[in-house]
Amino acid sequence: DAGITQSPRHKVTETGTPVTLRCHQTENHRYMYWYRQDPGHGLRLIHYSYGVKDTDKGEVSDGYSVSRSKTEDFLLTLESATSSQTSVYFCAIRMASGGLPGDEQFFGPGTRLTVL
Amino acid sequence: DAKTTQPPSMDCAEGRAANLPCNHSTISGNEYVYWYRQIHSQGPQYIIHGLKNNETNEMASLIITEDRKSSTLILPHATLRDTAVYYCIVRVSTDSWGKFQFGAGTQVVVTP
Repeated sequence: DAGITQSPRHKVTETGTPVTLRCHQTENHRYMYWYRQDPGHGLRLIHYSYGVKDTDKGEVSDGYSVSRSKTEDFLLTLESATSSQTSVYFCAIRMASGGLPGDEQFFGPGTRLTVL
Repeated sequence: DAKTTQPPSMDCAEGRAANLPCNHSTISGNEYVYWYRQIHSQGPQYIIHGLKNNETNEMASLIITEDRKSSTLILPHATLRDTAVYYCIVRVSTDSWGKFQFGAGTQVVVTP
């Protein structure tokens, strides 16, 4: 499992409340990613990080922010949760280092978030 | 990145080979073909990838046509645990951030 854990695994919250999801890895990988998965849309990239304090937006970043103050933790924050952010959120890490081609990503177990 | 086309679903008998097609007719020379699968409620799992040569590992084989416009993932002896959604993805090798774009994939059901 490449030492990836996500917390919480399940969360129910109300519209307008802030929510933070945590991705934790134990193997010092540089690259980390947050995806969301919804029926009919597959997996979509929200944000990614290529090092401590280095992050960038993915294709569906509106309404989300991220932080990476330590190599092992990548946090995804919904500042004011909306019902459209009800989804399953997956964190991933990239095993290779540097910009080499042919690398692959390993995914965490997911967090199921419900916004009422 | 090039777009891929996969059948939405396919069935396979347990113990038989499962051949999963993927069309990527607009693939460019520096794009790799990746396969991932996702078993229900779990995170996606890497299977295999290749550029132009056929590849094999302990999970599967990847056959890429000579013109690279299509590929086939082969699960040589399907088991019930291989029931999953299989994603074919092409990605530019110079994308140093490693971003992947997942499509709808193929739902594979392995039956006893």
